[in-house]
Amino acid sequence: DTAVSQTPKYLVTQMGNDKSIKCEQNLGHDTMYWYKQDSKKFLKIMFSYNNKELIINETVPNRFSPKSPDKAHLNLHINSLELGDSAVYFCASSPLPPEGLAVYEQYFGPGTRLTVT
Amino acid sequence: TQLLEQSPQFLSIQEGENLTVYCNSSSVFSSLQWYRQEPGEGPVLLVTVVTGGEVKKLKRLTFQFGDARKDSSLHITAAQPGDTGLYLCAGASGYALNFGKGTSLLVTP
Repeated sequence: DTAVSQTPKYLVTQMGNDKSIKCEQNLGHDTMYWYKQDSKKFLKIMFSYNNKELIINETVPNRFSPKSPDKAHLNLHINSLELGDSAVYFCASSPLPPEGLAVYEQYFGPGTRLTVT
Repeated sequence: TQLLEQSPQFLSIQEGENLTVYCNSSSVFSSLQWYRQEPGEGPVLLVTVVTGGEVKKLKRLTFQFGDARKDSSLHITAAQPGDTGLYLCAGASGYALNFGKGTSLLVTP
């Protein structure tokens, strides 16, 4: 049973296209995230949703729009793709943190490798 | 964004050797986590440390959180080829985790 799943695993597309990546978690977690990992393996948070509400929106171009239809799903839509968007995108989920902590352990999906040509 | 510096960036050792990986910051974190990532996969949580000075052991891996909650170390005893991977530390600040750039470890038989 996959805990956090993403589709597709690989995505190759041309500049200017619009694409979506889907994420689902079956862990019952309330919080979900999107991260971008660049070619140097640096992992940077993009968005965080808690129970379908956006709580983190880092300095990401507004071409990126997350959507959470329910707390088990967090999808990422990207408009007008650019070469610099090429990266691996990870979805993650997190349980409610212990008292006194605002963020806790993350459970990552397998990643979506996006290549923009 | 609070920066986490990991060192070394790359480490290549032989099976049976010991090693230590460091994660340093000038910022205080409410908790710190270590993850291991293998090629083509997502990071997998190894441990979470919360209390300054805390030491946690996971088989041959020993994790320590600095007294001031600004730094951490990961020590591996008698490394095995299965320990090969990218080790990432992540500090919790507000609602986000800030990741270090990772230490890429290769253990050869």
